[in-house]
Amino acid sequence: QVQLVQSGAEVKKPGASVKVSCKASGYIFTDYFLHWVRQAPGQGLEWMGWLNPNSGGTNYAQKFQGRVTMTRDTSISTAYLELTSLRCDDTALYYCAREAHHYDLWSGSYVATYYFDNWGQGTLVTVSS
Amino acid sequence: SSEVTQDPAVSVALGQTVRITCQGDSLRSYFVSWYQQKPGQAPVLVIYGNDNRPSGIPDRFSGSSSGNTPSLTITGAQAEDEADYYCDSRDSSGCHVFGTGTKVTVL
Repeated sequence: QVQLVQSGAEVKKPGASVKVSCKASGYIFTDYFLHWVRQAPGQGLEWMGWLNPNSGGTNYAQKFQGRVTMTRDTSISTAYLELTSLRCDDTALYYCAREAHHYDLWSGSYVATYYFDNWGQGTLVTVSS
Repeated sequence: SSEVTQDPAVSVALGQTVRITCQGDSLRSYFVSWYQQKPGQAPVLVIYGNDNRPSGIPDRFSGSSSGNTPSLTITGAQAEDEADYYCDSRDSSGCHVFGTGTKVTVL
């Protein structure tokens, strides 16, 4: 079965960097985009960006551009999220999620829906001085 | 980026029906996906596209869209449905936006 297993919790000081991993199994790693989503304590879900494991291409949410890098190592089916210049408000659970898609008929045409069908267990990153 | 809003909280009596909507000028696709999140757990997909349920999701969960307002309906809510629910949409460049989330309480 599909599994996304993330690395363990991290504690960092403000200004430091963190790198979180997401190891995929149960499917062909390069066939699906991987996204990163974070959730601050008591808050909602926030989309950070996507990684195309096949090409290495990325697309980051504007809020994180300049501070985030998403990479992968296809030899071990693992994706990485690196966030730099950490601030206290970066304290959050960071999830990786696999994106799938589906076509439905809408007004006579087929329209794609993209959704996250599998999620990692989350990695808690705590930023504190 | 523009916000996608949901009612912060709704309550429903056991066995009754509750509908959660997702609103925003920036809703970028005809269909959204819906996620259930229970405390301490990762989100779980419950609805995608035009009312499609992943394997294992009970048929009391359904999705629809009226105009530009997608909704998730739980028909015959059970105690185990008490959770936070989020909608999500995607634009043509692959950027996603989540709704603000709705806490569902089953009374």
